[in-house]
Amino acid sequence: ELKVEQNPLFLSMQEGKNYTIYCNYSTTSDRLYWYRQDPGKSLESLFVLLSNGAVKQEGRLMASLDTKARLSTLHITAAVHDLSATYFCAVDYLMRADKLIFGTGTRLQVFP
Amino acid sequence: DGGITQSPKYLFRKEGQNVTLSCEQNLNHDAMYWYRQDPGQGLRLIYYSQIVNDFQKGDIAEGYSVSREKKESFPLTVTSAQKNPTAFYLCASTPTGVGTEAFFGQGTRLTVV
Repeated sequence: ELKVEQNPLFLSMQEGKNYTIYCNYSTTSDRLYWYRQDPGKSLESLFVLLSNGAVKQEGRLMASLDTKARLSTLHITAAVHDLSATYFCAVDYLMRADKLIFGTGTRLQVFP
Repeated sequence: DGGITQSPKYLFRKEGQNVTLSCEQNLNHDAMYWYRQDPGQGLRLIYYSQIVNDFQKGDIAEGYSVSREKKESFPLTVTSAQKNPTAFYLCASTPTGVGTEAFFGQGTRLTVV
């Protein structure tokens, strides 16, 4: 059974600091997605990583994928309050969208 | 603008009552999905449909039913058999093909009263 684990589950960080969220998964997959969810809202797609070594950046967020280590990271640079949200990674198990397995999410809180 | 529309945003259900959640998309996507999200948890797949008039059970289909009579629409019925229906329900769609990114609706929060 595929498992997708994120850590930390909760992250409270000061504005201006850097931090990394980790997403580990238990079986082979070349596709990984990162989503953001604001409280009570839907999921917003952040990054789509489709191959080993893929790196994508948008603003203060950078995501990478190491398929050999079965690990993706979401790095936050110089955090700002607007980044406060829950971040989910999802793995495309068996390369089928109906087998998209989500992690439990990392709730990020950025304070002044 | 293309997108996925879910309605209602909030829904209250009495014990023993069936309720239907609407999901409509104008993205011309072939595949549609229903997920359930409980507080502090990730998403779990309820049902999915890859083409019209066909759908498959996901990981937690018991107590739910769906239909796919039109490409644009994928309504979810929460039946009285679902013993713990209070949750946030998200509809998503993807175009045909493997490894495609899912686009989500705004969600419906269902509460049993």
